[in-house]
Amino acid sequence: DTVLTQSPALAVSPGERVTISCRASESVSTLMHWYQQKPGQQPKLLIYLASHLESGVPARFSGSGSGTDFTLTIDPVEADDTATYYCQQSWNDPFTFGSGTKLEIK
Amino acid sequence: QVQLQQSGAELVKPGSSVKISCKASGYTFTSYDMHWIKQQPGNGLEWIGWIYPGNGNTKYNQKFNGKATLTADKSSSTAYMQLSSLTSEDSAVYFCARLRTGWEGYYFDYWGQGVMVTVSS
Repeated sequence: DTVLTQSPALAVSPGERVTISCRASESVSTLMHWYQQKPGQQPKLLIYLASHLESGVPARFSGSGSGTDFTLTIDPVEADDTATYYCQQSWNDPFTFGSGTKLEIK
Repeated sequence: QVQLQQSGAELVKPGSSVKISCKASGYTFTSYDMHWIKQQPGNGLEWIGWIYPGNGNTKYNQKFNGKATLTADKSSSTAYMQLSSLTSEDSAVYFCARLRTGWEGYYFDYWGQGVMVTVSS
């Protein structure tokens, strides 16, 4: 299975720029997607196909990368962005998710 | 608007089975794969498998072969997942999610609210 590695936690202040990384154990082309999950809620799609912003998602969110290295950037961060962020690949079978990066807004 | 409405929380005994549902609305149910994802408390997300309601085709993560059975009822636009021989390791929140497909690739665009399954005697 394709393992996706994310840093476990980050803490930033409102107005700052934050990058969340996701490294795949093998190439996933650009079939990497990012989701935001707040406590007690379902995941919400933010970025699909590495860099495409989902409709309705603020332009503060952006994604980049291909192959094995991907990043989700939030600029500027707002208090409401407190959540866990997951990457997910759909290039290799089975689909896999990263373990999540918990973002705290100081 | 697209909605995936899942059934309520379940408390079940070890060794038993449970069937949870995911009712779709706002789109053509038979035209999109429905996937199921497991999330254990405090843990990440694990893909279980998918069903294509249009023809009933299914595919499972090998890890869940024999554990999960996916079905769909076109008449009610509802997808189901049955989990069998339950143990404490099956205690988790289970999400259904629609897969959006295009020439560029595929990803989960809508998710149900999740069903908490607790296995306890």
